[in-house]
Amino acid sequence: QKEVEQNSGPLSVPEGAIASLNCTYSDRGSQSFFWYRQYSGKSPELIMSIYSNGDKEDGRFTAQLNKASQYVSLLIRDSQPSDSATYLCAVNMLLGGSNFGNEKLTFGTGTRLTIIP
Amino acid sequence: DTGVSQNPRHKITKRGQNVTFRCDPISEHNRLYWYRQTLGQGPEFLTYFQNEAQLEKSRLLSDRFSAERPKGSFSTLEIQRTEQGDSAMYLCASSLPGTTDTQYFGPGTRLTVL
Repeated sequence: QKEVEQNSGPLSVPEGAIASLNCTYSDRGSQSFFWYRQYSGKSPELIMSIYSNGDKEDGRFTAQLNKASQYVSLLIRDSQPSDSATYLCAVNMLLGGSNFGNEKLTFGTGTRLTIIP
Repeated sequence: DTGVSQNPRHKITKRGQNVTFRCDPISEHNRLYWYRQTLGQGPEFLTYFQNEAQLEKSRLLSDRFSAERPKGSFSTLEIQRTEQGDSAMYLCASSLPGTTDTQYFGPGTRLTVL
């Protein structure tokens, strides 16, 4: 089982609709969760971070976390063609006895999203 | 622009040559990370520094790879005797330690080994 799993897509969504991206992770000790957007040939760009169960909204983006189900999602409302990119889910785990984040992020393979005008 | 810079942005080299990449993190960030990303995959962790101390290394980091951060500011990643399998995007990220430890990525260095 991969540590962080995402549907690779491609996921096609009409412009103006809601895009829903999903991610599951294997380590129950994981504490911090991130969504990065990556355009072709570019580096990952942070979109959202979430640390506690529930929803977190930032503009058109909503991250959802369910630690019991080991599941994190990203919703993009009013999808725009500029949202077409690969979305990477990343998980950061607290080491035992540490008060800080782990030394690394573990990434999924990413979901390629295409917004159709 | 996150404030993390990497040089060079592109590097083409012949198999067997040595290459060195540089990363300058966000100035107040004392944690620095190196990742490698190949086509169709997410970034994979290579190594991590807190100040000048290298605290963790992935098993992906063979003995041909070495990373330094001599004064706790910029970092270099050297690959000796490059192989075609080393062709990838090499990403640097930095963070300020705390409960969130959010990592911000530089633009990356794309390495092509011929």
